[in-house]
Amino acid sequence: DSGVTQTPKHLITATGQRVTLRCSPRSGDLSVYWYQQSLDQGLQFLIQYYNGEERAKGNILERFSAQQFPDLHSELNLSSLELGDSALYFCASQSGGAGNEQFFGPGTRLTVL
Amino acid sequence: AQSVTQLGSHVSVSEGALVLLRCNYSSSVPPYLFWYVQYPNQGLQLLLKYTTGATLVKGINGFEAEFKKSETSFHLTKPSAHMSDAAEYFCAVSPTDSWGKLQFGAGTQVVVTP
Repeated sequence: DSGVTQTPKHLITATGQRVTLRCSPRSGDLSVYWYQQSLDQGLQFLIQYYNGEERAKGNILERFSAQQFPDLHSELNLSSLELGDSALYFCASQSGGAGNEQFFGPGTRLTVL
Repeated sequence: AQSVTQLGSHVSVSEGALVLLRCNYSSSVPPYLFWYVQYPNQGLQLLLKYTTGATLVKGINGFEAEFKKSETSFHLTKPSAHMSDAAEYFCAVSPTDSWGKLQFGAGTQVVVTP
């Protein structure tokens, strides 16, 4: 158990819909990262938040957005969903900066039908 | 721009045999280097990392990796494979001047045969 929790574990929805994925970091970790894992593109960094502020952006679509709340949990919002958005979405939390271990949650498997 | 290359998407090893997974990176400045393992239906778990200091690093479950700057490599080894080593392994890099985002290789699926 990494100490990072993600809900829901599975999500099945239709094209055009909007969903919210939730992540609770390990106690005390200020950084939260979101990654997408798909068969065609592998593991890709989406976005990072540190203590409520966006710090880095990766290959995140404009239809996707995220935020980190004062209690440090984070949400990833995916809208106007397409079939190609079906993937595993991981969040990871970290204390300190680059070079420190990122602890990954179990992931949310999103299926868009 | 950085890139990470893992040679071989699938590797099959016999139980008790050497496990060798190859990782090369492309970066103008040596980044921080990581190996993560993903068991079926689970998240990723850190095996080991190199940030500074000794270039041979030891990790969990008997794995180790050596950073070779001249070869821009960070290959992962384990002297004797166990059935429990069957998983997918990811090499990842993080720029030393960044906030820590990881760039992953494509992954290597390891199958262990009795």
